[in-house]
Amino acid sequence: AQKITQTQPGMFVQEKEAVTLDCTYDTSDPSYGLFWYKQPSSGEMIFLIYQGSYDQQNATEGRYSLNFQKARKSANLVISASQLGDSAMYFCAMREGRNYGGSQGNLIFGKGTKLSVKP
Amino acid sequence: NAGVTQTPKFRILKIGQSMTLQCTQDMNHNYMYWYRQDPGMGLKLIYYSVGAGITDKGEVPNGYNVSRSTTEDFPLRLELAAPSQTSVYFCASSRDSVTSGNTIYFGEGSWLTVV
Repeated sequence: AQKITQTQPGMFVQEKEAVTLDCTYDTSDPSYGLFWYKQPSSGEMIFLIYQGSYDQQNATEGRYSLNFQKARKSANLVISASQLGDSAMYFCAMREGRNYGGSQGNLIFGKGTKLSVKP
Repeated sequence: NAGVTQTPKFRILKIGQSMTLQCTQDMNHNYMYWYRQDPGMGLKLIYYSVGAGITDKGEVPNGYNVSRSTTEDFPLRLELAAPSQTSVYFCASSRDSVTSGNTIYFGEGSWLTVV
């Protein structure tokens, strides 16, 4: 079973509108963390936002927010007021503790969602 | 602000050749990592290091070797290159273990093709 599932291979959004990128995860570790990264066409990986499993509030970073629904095991990324520069691949990733198969360096990545922002 | 720097950015290798991907970071991070990204996929961990002199295998270590003689440098060695190693390679670093929620900072990637 996949640990990180991103069901949207590609999405389109109109400039200035909000968009939600889906991510569901599977873990039995009570202490885990979820990351979102952006990968533009130039290839680098850019950290966007982090949510810890014990964090009481949903994480926010500027125009990015994470809609964390623990019972549903989902951690959707919401981008408000989309800009042309938001066009990129977006990856959801999870880290687990060592006792649950994780290692200190192992972020488990989903396959990504390609977001295209239309002018 | 250099961050994580990796070289070369592009390389074509013939089957059976060897090469080293260089990686250096100037943030004094303890942890360093090598990931590979195959087309249309997310990243998978090859090797990681928690400090100078200490390395450990990740999810896909076969065909690779690493060393960590200094805090700054973490080179990845490919011995006897195979077409299956055609991929984009990312070096990364973090201040502490990612299990504590610290984010990982990535280099710009190295595109490697084995023909």
